[in-house]
Amino acid sequence: DADVTQTPRNRITKTGKRIMLECSQTKGHDRMYWYRQDPGLGLRLIYYSFDVKDINKGEISDGYSVSRQAQAKFSLSLESAIPNQTALYFCATLRGNQETQYFGPGTRLLVL
Amino acid sequence: AQSVAQPEDQVNVAEGNPLTVKCTYSVSGNPYLFWYVQYPNRGLQFLLKYITGDNLVKGSYGFEAEFNKSQTSFHLKKPSALVSDSALYFCAVSEGSTLGRLYFGRGTQLTVWP
Repeated sequence: DADVTQTPRNRITKTGKRIMLECSQTKGHDRMYWYRQDPGLGLRLIYYSFDVKDINKGEISDGYSVSRQAQAKFSLSLESAIPNQTALYFCATLRGNQETQYFGPGTRLLVL
Repeated sequence: AQSVAQPEDQVNVAEGNPLTVKCTYSVSGNPYLFWYVQYPNRGLQFLLKYITGDNLVKGSYGFEAEFNKSQTSFHLKKPSALVSDSALYFCAVSEGSTLGRLYFGRGTQLTVWP
């Protein structure tokens, strides 16, 4: 089984709809991250969490919110989706005393 | 502020030839440098990292990278390219005090021709 899983893998939604992307990990890492990937822009950080009680904004948090329900689960919500949120979204995890982040398979989101 | 530049959007190389994917960085402190690879419809896979020590680091699938502090570069290299190396490559940097926040370059599409 994969260490970092994301659901759904693909999603099509309409402008104005609320949508949640979920991330789960079995690596036992304390830190979790949400990134979005746009062609030609690389990955940009949306939110990150060092533990269940610690949530921090990244570079592009506007229009997004997150919830860290447990150490192993980190959800990203779009309260009212808009077309420019169409992107590939990645979750990543990191053990606090190490350096390497490990990524999930990604969720491809299309907002019509 | 931390930033990464990958000056080439695309790199094309013939199978068996050496390949280089370029990366330069800017950080305010000591850099932690990473290379990740993304295959079509897949997530990012960790290739290698430089934290400290020897400037030449070796990673997965025969890749290596050289840290050059004076040129603020961390170029990815492989002596003999394979068609299966064709993928999107990302360079990323983290600075110790930013606690694991990664800043990514825009990515370089590597195509290896048979």
